[in-house]
Amino acid sequence: DVKVTQSSRYLVKRTGEKVFLECVQDMDHENMFWYRQDPGLGLRLIYFSYDVKMKEKGDIPEGYSVSREKKERFSLILESASTNQTSMYLCASSWGQGYTIYFGEGSWLTVV
Amino acid sequence: KNEVEQSPQNLTAQEGEFITINCSYSVGISALHWLQQHPGGGIVSLFMLSSGKKKHGRLIATINIQEKHSSLHITASHPRDSAVYICAALYSGGGADGLTFGKGTHLIIQP
Repeated sequence: DVKVTQSSRYLVKRTGEKVFLECVQDMDHENMFWYRQDPGLGLRLIYFSYDVKMKEKGDIPEGYSVSREKKERFSLILESASTNQTSMYLCASSWGQGYTIYFGEGSWLTVV
Repeated sequence: KNEVEQSPQNLTAQEGEFITINCSYSVGISALHWLQQHPGGGIVSLFMLSSGKKKHGRLIATINIQEKHSSLHITASHPRDSAVYICAALYSGGGADGLTFGKGTHLIIQP
């Protein structure tokens, strides 16, 4: 079975801190994604990577950056966390558009 | 941006009932995903379909391209089916991931 593993389930960070959310997939997928999910807004794409060191901005990239140094690992970075980044963050991976998409368990981030 | 509308937003039913969740979308999709999210957050892909019908256990997904509509059915519903069900349309030429998500249907099955 495909496994997408997010390093932290629950985090509490202070405003201004740098936050790293890590994601690892074990199926050699080309594509990896970071989404955030907020009540009433559904899933929104933050960043997408289609290969090592390659990335594209999604719908809401402001305040975030990403890193993909190895194919299996995709990191989301909040350079200076703010309270409006309190949310649930979901990592996902797939072979490509038109293929099944696999999600991690989610990371609940609270910024205080 | 392309829209995906789900209905109902919330649904409470008794164990054993037949459940239908609807998803409508704009023209130009190449596939549609149905996803399930249990309390606690993790999302599981149930189906991806571009035409016709797919079945897995008690779950059935259908899509009608001409009517721009997909349905997810649950037969003999059970409390463990309680979850949020999300449809996501893959639009040709869409954004980075090509996906537009619905806001989800929150399903509660009471024993």
